[in-house]
Amino acid sequence: QITLKESGPTLVKPTQTLTLTCALSGLSVNFRGVGVGWIRQPPGKSLEWLALIYWDNNKFYSPSLQSRVTVTKDPSKNRVVLTMTNVDLVDTGKYFCARTSSDDILTRGSFDSWGQGTLVTVSS
Amino acid sequence: LLLTQPHSTSEFPGKTVTISCTRTSGSFASNSVQWYQKRPDTSFTTVIYDNSQRASGIPDRFTVSIDSSSKSATLIISGLQAEDEADYYCQSSDGHNVVFGGGTRLTVL
Repeated sequence: QITLKESGPTLVKPTQTLTLTCALSGLSVNFRGVGVGWIRQPPGKSLEWLALIYWDNNKFYSPSLQSRVTVTKDPSKNRVVLTMTNVDLVDTGKYFCARTSSDDILTRGSFDSWGQGTLVTVSS
Repeated sequence: LLLTQPHSTSEFPGKTVTISCTRTSGSFASNSVQWYQKRPDTSFTTVIYDNSQRASGIPDRFTVSIDSSSKSATLIISGLQAEDEADYYCQSSDGHNVVFGGGTRLTVL
């Protein structure tokens, strides 16, 4: 069974850098074809895709956030890390990581497995 | 690219309900639509991917229709059951971005 689990700080101050971790089990981040994405959901709002990294280290970012977001993977710990710089109050929300087996998520395919999400509040 | 869904819908058990998803640019022929279900206290579940493919474990009560322009997709749930009560999100892309609809809350009366 493939599971994903997000972790990170629950409270971050404005202008700080947010670092979130997605731990995978049942599947390697280096397994051919695997992609892991980050999606967030502000309170009462819909979902927003942030970034995605593939098994071959190919990376894709939301055009609106690419200047502040970086995604990396750590095969030794089988995890994916999202870094968001200069956070603001509007970055408050639940952050999810999700796996895709699509080889081109920008054209087709879905996020097959999702974590439960981790709630991040940006407040001074 | 924006995806527009109705905010909410409701129907009685056993009936058929539809949830639309309309895109502002491009087409679902070029960039497929996916549908996710989110029940309280559970993870997101893929219902439909690549326009019409049911995900593993999803009953055939869930189908998708796409209009002739390929700009509007409709999730059709027949034989509605209490367990179908959830939020449903459509998702697509435009080659540069992955976009989600605003979500539709389905209430089973």
